[in-house]
Amino acid sequence: AQSVAQPEDQVNVAEGNPLTVKCTYSVSGNPYLFWYVQYPNRGLQFLLKYITGDNLVKGSYGFEAEFNKSQTSFHLKKPSALVSDSALYFCAVRDTYYGNNRLAFGKGNQVVVIP
Amino acid sequence: SAVISQKPSRDICQRGTSLTIQCQVDSQVTMMFWYRQQPGQSLTLIATANQGSEATYESGFVIDKFPISRPNLTFSTLTVSNMSPEDSSIYLCSVVHPGYEQYFGPGTRLTVT
Repeated sequence: AQSVAQPEDQVNVAEGNPLTVKCTYSVSGNPYLFWYVQYPNRGLQFLLKYITGDNLVKGSYGFEAEFNKSQTSFHLKKPSALVSDSALYFCAVRDTYYGNNRLAFGKGNQVVVIP
Repeated sequence: SAVISQKPSRDICQRGTSLTIQCQVDSQVTMMFWYRQQPGQSLTLIATANQGSEATYESGFVIDKFPISRPNLTFSTLTVSNMSPEDSSIYLCSVVHPGYEQYFGPGTRLTVT
């Protein structure tokens, strides 16, 4: 079955500095990869996805992520973090081997942007 | 993207009782999903609900505890039955966009005392 690892519990970054949130995955077939953000007391918001094509994908709020097949990674990045980016970030994967829409989520990373 | 609403947004319930959570989507969708997010944890898929057929439950979740209805292509309910404090979680429904990403409702925050 598919799985996702987000190795860090919390990512602290100073405002204006680059932000990186790490994600690695395991699948049997090809991966569809997603990043979601969850603000306090709110549902999950879709940020970006990789389905096929260019390895660098751009999403909402200035976020981007790079798909690396050899390293089975899909790290989320933002060149200049804002205090408002402080939230919980989830990486998720769908394994196309199984032909369904089931998503496996990572444990989540709390991002804290320090003013 | 789909607009998804859930009712109630939160509730506090006594152990042994049941709560039914409603999920409404603004467009017709084939599949709807129900997830649980326990405090401080990630999302776990409970079941997949297709209109006109029985829901498909993930390992560790059973129909007697989490019965699901899917009467039409825009609506679903999840019931949490015979609740215990361990059922205290956020329950979310989601749908799949044609571009493969899932969109989530705002969640129902359940506290069982």
